[in-house]
Amino acid sequence: QKEVEQNSGPLSVPEGAIASLNCTYSDRGSQSFFWYRQYSGKSPELIMFIYSNGDKEDGRFTAQLNKASQYVSLLIRDSQPSDSATYLCADPGNTPLVFGKGTRLSVIA
Amino acid sequence: DAGITQSPRYKITETGRQVTLMCHQTWSHSYMFWYRQDLGHGLRLIYYSAAADITDKGEVPDGYVVSRSKTENFPLTLESATRSQTSVYFCASSEAGPSYEQYFGPGTRLTVT
Repeated sequence: QKEVEQNSGPLSVPEGAIASLNCTYSDRGSQSFFWYRQYSGKSPELIMFIYSNGDKEDGRFTAQLNKASQYVSLLIRDSQPSDSATYLCADPGNTPLVFGKGTRLSVIA
Repeated sequence: DAGITQSPRYKITETGRQVTLMCHQTWSHSYMFWYRQDLGHGLRLIYYSAAADITDKGEVPDGYVVSRSKTENFPLTLESATRSQTSVYFCASSEAGPSYEQYFGPGTRLTVT
C-alpha cells in the first residue's frame, strides 16, 4: 500500500525566511504530487501540482520532485504569518489520492 | 457559485443514534469523496463515488453507509454512531477521477457523546 510520510512539525520559521516542507513516498512509480494547504479549522485547498522531476514555481511557492530519492518538497520564499497552516502532500497514482498527515508550519512575525 | 457545501456544519449526537451528513456540489463533478480527519491520522478516505449509483469503499468504511442517487448529492450515514466516530468529516469532489485534484467542502464537526 502506498504511503506518504511527512514530519508533523511544528516547523517554525521567522517572517521573511524560506520554509522548507518535505514529503517522502513509498511508491517508486509515483509520477506527480499535489500540495494542499489547510488553515486551522478550515478545509484543505489545493495550492500546487507537480508532475515530473525538477522544480515548479508559482509565485513564492516552489515544488520540487526528486524521483530517485523519492521525496517531494515545497519551498515557501519570503514566508509570511499568513502562510501559517498545515501543508499536506498527496500522491495520486492509480488509486484515490493518498494524503500525508501534514506538516504544521508556523511563521513567526 | 456555491461549489461544494456540507450540512450540518456542527452536530452533536448520542451513541447509537443514526446521523446523516449531507454533501452537495454544483460543479457537476463525477467523483465525490468522504474523508474523516483526526489528530494523528490525517485525512482518511471513507467512501467515494464515481457517478450516481456507483460507490466504492475507502480505507475506513466500517460503520458508514453512502448513497448517490443524484450526481450532485453524496450523503454519508452513520447507522449507529459510536464515540470513535467523533471527527471532522470532509466531502470532496473531482471532475476527472479519484487520483486527480479534489476540491473540499467546509467540513462537518461531529461529536458523539
